[in-house]
Amino acid sequence: EVQLVESGGGLVQPGRSLKLSCVASGFTFNNYWMTWIRQAPGKGLEWVASITNTGGSTYYPDSVKGRFTISRDNAKSTLYLQMNSLRSEDTATYYCTRATDYGGHDYWGQGVMVTVSS
Amino acid sequence: DVVLTQTPSTLSATIGQSVSISCRSSQSLLDSAGNTYLYWYLQRPGQSPQLLIYLVSNLGSGVPNRFSGSGSGTDFTLKISGVEAEDLGVYYCMQATHAPLTFGSGTKLEIK
Repeated sequence: EVQLVESGGGLVQPGRSLKLSCVASGFTFNNYWMTWIRQAPGKGLEWVASITNTGGSTYYPDSVKGRFTISRDNAKSTLYLQMNSLRSEDTATYYCTRATDYGGHDYWGQGVMVTVSS
Repeated sequence: DVVLTQTPSTLSATIGQSVSISCRSSQSLLDSAGNTYLYWYLQRPGQSPQLLIYLVSNLGSGVPNRFSGSGSGTDFTLKISGVEAEDLGVYYCMQATHAPLTFGSGTKLEIK
């Protein structure tokens, strides 16, 4: 059974940093691109970052580029999201997702809440 | 960025009724290789989203065949043929043809 389990969320002050983790199981982790997608409270979905299966390339929208870094440790089947210079607008539930080779996201974690507030 | 406009924003249906959700893109989602990277997701209350439809019209794994997707270019439709109680939630379309990947604002399906 495919499982994605996120951790590392919490309350953080504006301008500070936080690192999210996502432990994957039930599939060959290093065969898949992975993606972080977030959802602000009561709002829609927003793509945050993607990484190739080898970790050799990463992709970000302008809203987080230069502040967030996606990475992975294939030996540990773990995906990460390093979030620096956090802003109130980064407050959201962050989902770890598995990307398919046809572009969709077929498995999602349960999500981890990040609250940026003083 | 590509803007996906979903209509309606809210939909109320009775059990067994057929409903459709529209997703219109600000740009054609057909790429130079002839692929259209348009997807549909359902987020049930309190749950993570799940993939319903990929590449416009392909059913995701384990998704009931009362769900179907269609469309091309800039206009896409998700149809539910015979709504069931478990179908309530928010439906999102998503495009991955053009960077950045973007989502529609969602359509909330309520059961009467």
